[in-house]
Amino acid sequence: AQSVTQLDSHVSVSEGTPVLLRCNYSSSYSPSLFWYVQHPNKGLQLLLKYTSAATLVKGINGFEAEFKKSETSFHLTKPSAHMSDAAEYFCVVSDFSQGAQKLVFGQGTRLTINP
Amino acid sequence: DARVTQTPRHKVTEMGQEVTMRCQPILGHNTVFWYRQTMMQGLELLAYFRNRAPLDDSGMPKDRFSAEMPDATLATLKIQPSEPRDSAVYFCASGQGEGYGYTFGSGTRLTVV
Repeated sequence: AQSVTQLDSHVSVSEGTPVLLRCNYSSSYSPSLFWYVQHPNKGLQLLLKYTSAATLVKGINGFEAEFKKSETSFHLTKPSAHMSDAAEYFCVVSDFSQGAQKLVFGQGTRLTINP
Repeated sequence: DARVTQTPRHKVTEMGQEVTMRCQPILGHNTVFWYRQTMMQGLELLAYFRNRAPLDDSGMPKDRFSAEMPDATLATLKIQPSEPRDSAVYFCASGQGEGYGYTFGSGTRLTVV
């Protein structure tokens, strides 16, 4: 079965500085990977997805993620943080075990932006 | 933008009562998930449908939970009888299958007292 580990439960950065949210996955085959964002008391919004095309994936709001098979990583980055980026971020792997597809979520990383 | 619609947004009910949550997936999406989110457990998959057929509901307590798709425009999640430990936010998501990503609704916040 697939699994996802988000290495940091909480990341705090200053506005205007780079953001790095780390994600490692385990997979028995070439996975589909996603990053979702959840603002307080809101639903989950898809930021970006990797589906075996380009390894550097660009998403909304200036976020990017790079798929590194050798490191089984899919870290999320943004060059310059904005106050509106404060939210919970989930790394997600698509699991096709037993002939059915599931989305397996990491535990989430809470991103705080300091003025 | 197309969206997944969930109703009600909030529900407060007494222990033992039946609760029904509804989800309208995006037109043309053939895959529907139900997830539950709590502080302790994070996001847990409850049930999964493809083309209205239930494919996986192993994450759902069978004795009190049931999930159905009576037609392509409606998915329901029922709890009977409800218990305080069912208090959580329940999300529905729909999509077109592997690799497309999934759109989540705004959730139903359930409180069982």
